[in-house]
Amino acid sequence: KQEVTQIPAALSVPEGENLVLNCSFTDSAIYNLQWFRQDPGKGLTSLLLIQSSQREQTSGRLNASLDKSSGRSTLYIAASQPGDSATYLCAVLLIKAAGNKLTFGGGTRVLVKP
Amino acid sequence: KAGVTQTPRYLIKTRGQQVTLSCSPISGHRSVSWYQQTPGQGLQFLFEYFSETQRNKGNFPGRFSGRQFSNSRSEMNVSTLELGDSALYLCASSLLAPQGPDTQYFGPGTRLTVL
Repeated sequence: KQEVTQIPAALSVPEGENLVLNCSFTDSAIYNLQWFRQDPGKGLTSLLLIQSSQREQTSGRLNASLDKSSGRSTLYIAASQPGDSATYLCAVLLIKAAGNKLTFGGGTRVLVKP
Repeated sequence: KAGVTQTPRYLIKTRGQQVTLSCSPISGHRSVSWYQQTPGQGLQFLFEYFSETQRNKGNFPGRFSGRQFSNSRSEMNVSTLELGDSALYLCASSLLAPQGPDTQYFGPGTRLTVL
């Protein structure tokens, strides 16, 4: 059974500092990994999607890396801003004959202090 | 293009009642997935529909059911509500066949409170 863990569960940094969020998964046979952002009481916004054949993806100040063999992904947010305060979730997709399955981690709640 | 929409946004029910939630996917998307989010359990997969067929189901009791219409709109029904059903219910749509490999686009969710 795929398990996805995100550590730390919460993080508080001063504005301008770089953020490093970690995601680990137990079954390395993933199809892709996706990072989402969730604001309080809202839905999820997709940030980056990394296919299993890729090592990283970048979008603006965001960079996500993927190491399938060790079952890890890291999301880097450069020069954090108060507007980056949110919960960040990673999710891995497994493709199986019995049906595809997207499994989410518990999330990391980020607070960027002005 | 309009995003994924969910109605209603907020709902208050009492134990034993039933509830129906609605989700309209992004135009052209045929796959719709439902998730339950609670502080204790996080985001858990409920079920997924593609072309009006349930293709995948999570580990939830039979009180939770759903369907998808020919226009890809989906509804989720919960019967005999329990206090533990209080949660944010999220719907996501994607362009390709079940749960990707395309990006999933999420709606704003329906906040259900069971008293």
